[in-house]
Amino acid sequence: ETGVTQTPRHLVMGMTNKKSLKCEQHLGHNAMYWYKQSAKKPLELMFVYNFKEQTENNSVPSRFSPECPNSSHLFLHLHTLQPEDSALYLCASSQDAGGAEGSGELFFGEGSRLTVL
Amino acid sequence: GENVEQHPSTLSVQEGDSAVIKCTYSDSASNYFPWYKQELGKGPQLIIDIRSNVGEKKDQRIAVTLNKTAKHFSLHITETQPEDSAVYFCAASPGGSQGNLIFGKGTKLSVKP
Repeated sequence: ETGVTQTPRHLVMGMTNKKSLKCEQHLGHNAMYWYKQSAKKPLELMFVYNFKEQTENNSVPSRFSPECPNSSHLFLHLHTLQPEDSALYLCASSQDAGGAEGSGELFFGEGSRLTVL
Repeated sequence: GENVEQHPSTLSVQEGDSAVIKCTYSDSASNYFPWYKQELGKGPQLIIDIRSNVGEKKDQRIAVTLNKTAKHFSLHITETQPEDSAVYFCAASPGGSQGNLIFGKGTKLSVKP
């Protein structure tokens, strides 16, 4: 298997549930990202991990909790979500999180479609 | 912070025609501008990018132009084909770090056969 794989592809949960989204990349990259994609809104960066260390938390509510046990795996733990959190959650990876030069491209998974009832 | 505006939000063209999507950005320090294509049910995929030291870049039927003075950049697709139908996103990266990409809202391109 190659690329970035996300599971589950679809998830329906109630506001009191706890669930997790999983992302795995087989590209040998060192940086992984979570993005939120809502209808008619730009892609919103949520978290960045570079070499397993969280380098960015874009003011995301604490009901979203990321975990990066190694450079190949990234989780997004979900707890007491709100209906407005329903969206497509995209995981991406890149060679690294860049710097002053910035290089390479983001490789996205196909996303996990989350519906909060 | 950086703000990226993208127009139009929807674009419909006949097969064989050209399509142009435009983006403006606000942060003059931004120096990396990628374009991503998202097909239905898939994640976005990079199709072309340009850095601030270049004014134009081409890859077969796709080209991107950058006007740093006016702070806008455009995607040009020539000889459009039905498989070009997708949502296209522009993005800007302040300081060049792709981890901080700021995306536009997207343009849904429909190519009618």
